[in-house]
Amino acid sequence: QKEVEQNSGPLSVPEGAIASLNCTYSDRGSQSFFWYRQYSGKSPELIMFIYSNGDKEDGRFTAQLNKASQYVSLLIRDSQPSDSATYLCAVNGYSSASKIIFGSGTRLSIRP
Amino acid sequence: DVKVTQSSRYLVKRTGEKVFLECVQDMDHENMFWYRQDPGLGLRLIYFSYDVKMKEKGDIPEGYSVSREKKERFSLILESASTNQTSMYLCASSTGGMMNTEAFFGQGTRLTVV
Repeated sequence: QKEVEQNSGPLSVPEGAIASLNCTYSDRGSQSFFWYRQYSGKSPELIMFIYSNGDKEDGRFTAQLNKASQYVSLLIRDSQPSDSATYLCAVNGYSSASKIIFGSGTRLSIRP
Repeated sequence: DVKVTQSSRYLVKRTGEKVFLECVQDMDHENMFWYRQDPGLGLRLIYFSYDVKMKEKGDIPEGYSVSREKKERFSLILESASTNQTSMYLCASSTGGMMNTEAFFGQGTRLTVV
């Protein structure tokens, strides 16, 4: 079982709709959870991080964390063509707090 | 702004060569990481370091070694390059502590082994 799992997509969403990206993780003791966005040919950049159960909102983005079910999700409201990218879920490992493990990423395409 | 700089953007090496990939960060971060990224496989952790001279294996350490003699510099070494090590290599750094913080990435090194 992979430590961090994501649906690879591609996920196609119409412009203006809500895009929902999901991620599950295997290390129950993980403490920190991150969503990165990566445009083609570029390095990943952080969008959001979340530490506590529940929702965290930042502009059009909402991260949701459910530690009991071991999943974290990212909602993008009012999707724009510029949101088309690969979204990477990342989790820090409890056994080694410094270790950051990434999922394989979900490719998101926003169609006009 | 945090800056993570990788020594080369593109590299072409021959099979069997010893290859050094260098990474430098300027924010006094405790943690540094080396990942490789391949289509459909995401970022896979090769090695990471949480302090000078301290290192831990990631998920795919075979064929690689690392060196961290100074806090700001983390080197990835391919002891004998092979064609299956052709990939994009990404270095990252982050602050230390139990609640890990954002990882900042370098621009990546696209390595081709021929």
